[in-house]
Amino acid sequence: SQQGEEDPQALSIQEGENATMNCSYKTSINNLQWYRQNSGRGLVHLILIRSNEREKHSGRLRVTLDTSKKSSSLLITASRAADTASYFCATVWLQGAQKLVFGQGTRLTINP
Amino acid sequence: EAGVAQSPRYKIIEKRQSVAFWCNPISGHATLYWYQQILGQGPKLLIQFQNNGVVDDSQLPKDRFSAERLKGVDSTLKIQPAKLEDSAVYLCASSFLQGFGTEAFFGQGTRLTVV
Repeated sequence: SQQGEEDPQALSIQEGENATMNCSYKTSINNLQWYRQNSGRGLVHLILIRSNEREKHSGRLRVTLDTSKKSSSLLITASRAADTASYFCATVWLQGAQKLVFGQGTRLTINP
Repeated sequence: EAGVAQSPRYKIIEKRQSVAFWCNPISGHATLYWYQQILGQGPKLLIQFQNNGVVDDSQLPKDRFSAERLKGVDSTLKIQPAKLEDSAVYLCASSFLQGFGTEAFFGQGTRLTVV
């Protein structure tokens, strides 16, 4: 079964608005990563947050991590049409084999 | 820096036929992943290599899927015989370390259609 679960499954907003996506996971992690996937393309890494970090910024992206709640959020500020894509969180497990496990993703649509 | 190369980009086969996908990771990346992504779902890890050794293949349907990474560089994923439910995009990714604090770089994927 998938480790991470994104919420909502789909999100549609107007250009210029902020978009927030959430990710919940089940077991202890070493770090959590967010990826973007444009239609018909491979995944592109956006940002990585380690288990001992609470917040991280990269350009218009802000990621938070709450290990006590086993959840993370990705905020995209001042959204643009080019941000239309699917966004996935991926968790890296501490125990056993360290593998990158993806959730089902949030499909984000930015309306011009 | 060249990215992860995959071929072919598209493949259409009939059920019960065999098919092979090829992946060339980024130079120097020890970890290589193969994922299966069914339309509308997230990528599902099939197999993970560290150099030429298998780290995890717990979700690889071993009765029909096989993968190898000779010399710890290129990798091939094979399906024999294919079933209709194997229709998906097969993504190859690589990372410098074993997913430990480093990002994974993905290829464009191979879209497989089984008819």
